Amino acid sequence: KAGVTQTPRYLIKTRGQQVTLSCSPISGHRSVSWYQQTPGQGLQFLFEYFSETQRNKGNFPGRFSGRQFSNSRSEMNVSTLELGDSALYLCASSETGGGANVLTFGAGSRLTVL
Amino acid sequence: AQSVTQLGSHVSVSEGALVLLRCNYSSSVPPYLFWYVQYPNQGLQLLLKYTTGATLVKGINGFEAEFKKSETSFHLTKPSAHMSDAAEYFCAVRGETSYDKVIFGPGTSLSVIP
Repeated sequence: KAGVTQTPRYLIKTRGQQVTLSCSPISGHRSVSWYQQTPGQGLQFLFEYFSETQRNKGNFPGRFSGRQFSNSRSEMNVSTLELGDSALYLCASSETGGGANVLTFGAGSRLTVL
Repeated sequence: AQSVTQLGSHVSVSEGALVLLRCNYSSSVPPYLFWYVQYPNQGLQLLLKYTTGATLVKGINGFEAEFKKSETSFHLTKPSAHMSDAAEYFCAVRGETSYDKVIFGPGTSLSVIP
C-alpha cells in the first residue's frame, strides 16, 4: 500500500497570505487527522475528519480550517498567515479513527511564514 | 481531559546501554497507549501500542513497553541502544470512543553516544 502523501513538502509564505495543504490517506482509510508540530508546543491536534465530516477539533483559531472529500483526501487551509503559524503540519490517517486505531503519518508539510 | 507527560526532554545513552524513556498518562479509564518515533525530516511511525491483555508489549526494532495501571505509566525500553535509535520519541494516549483524539506527550529526544 502507498503511504500517506502530503503536498507540498515545503513552502514559504508571507504574513497575511493563505495556504492550502493536501493529504492523501492510505487507501481504505476513512479518518484523517491533522497536527501542528513546533519546537515549543510539540504536537498539537488541529482536527479530524471522518467520512467528510469533522469529528473532532482542537483549540485553534478559526483561521485554521479543513475539509475532506468523498475519496477521503483532505485539505487544510490557513488564512491570514501569522509568523507563529510557521510549523511542520502533519497529516495522519487511520481506518476508522478512535480507540486502538493506529495513526499512519505522512512526512509533513513544512510551512515557513516570513 | 487526558494528558501525557514524558520525563526528560532529552536523554543520552552510550551505544549498547539500556534505553529507558518514561511516560505517564492521566486518564480516568484504561486508555489505549502508543509509542511513536520520529526521525529527522520525517513523520511519526508507530513503535508499539497497548490495547488490552498482556501488559508487556513488544514493538519494532527491539523496543518494548510495559503498561502499569497502578502507576499510570507506559515506559519504553530497549536493552541495547544502537546508533540508529537516535530520534525523537513520543508517547500518546487515546480514549475508547471514536470521538477521542490522540493526545501526544511533549517528546523525548534520544541521543546515542558511540
